[in-house]
Amino acid sequence: EAGVTQFPSHSVIEKGQTVTLRCDPISGHDNLYWYRRVMGKEIKFLLHFVKESKQDESGMPNNRFLAERTGGTYSTLKVQPAELEDSGVYFCASRPLQGRNTEAFFGQGTRLTVV
Amino acid sequence: GEDVEQSLFLSVREGDSSVINCTYTDSSSTYLYWYKQEPGAGLQLLTYIFSNMDMKQDQRLTVLLNKKDKHLSLRIADTQTGDSAIYFCAESITFRGGATNKLIFGTGTLLAVQP
Repeated sequence: EAGVTQFPSHSVIEKGQTVTLRCDPISGHDNLYWYRRVMGKEIKFLLHFVKESKQDESGMPNNRFLAERTGGTYSTLKVQPAELEDSGVYFCASRPLQGRNTEAFFGQGTRLTVV
Repeated sequence: GEDVEQSLFLSVREGDSSVINCTYTDSSSTYLYWYKQEPGAGLQLLTYIFSNMDMKQDQRLTVLLNKKDKHLSLRIADTQTGDSAIYFCAESITFRGGATNKLIFGTGTLLAVQP
């Protein structure tokens, strides 16, 4: 069974450009999360989808970030326009709907560098 | 508030025991986790402990929880070079009767195992 996959693995863009990150969760996992780790700091929660609905987007930094999960399968996270402080590693995770402590499976992350 | 703290770096010799410490602030956390990130890889769940437990042992891993002091530790016995990685402590935050179950991570501890 495929794990959580993220694309691209690396992205280098100039300040002001747009970047779209993609996450494919494990098939059948209704919960999908986005997290971000800025260099040397903690991994911070961005938002949580249950199927196609945004359950909690309290961690989204500002309105330059837009997350979607149309159809409740894969998710995209768009940054427009990108700023230098958006550089970091963006992780996606998924877990099944049932059970409060089912394991969250993480993807390998997308390393975003804004120059 | 939600805050998880860890020391940034730990160096041990192969065969010694490693102890990675973590403090957290949310006393309502139900589960506490240890994740491992190897170079170029995603986050791998190592182990977790339920908040009403004091200790959990799993092969070379021992987790100790002091709920009064909000202190969590991970002990790795007979540390091997393959254990070199970043270790993240995380607590689960649940809202709305379980509808949201995000993770609050620490900064990560880089474990370097010297041969």
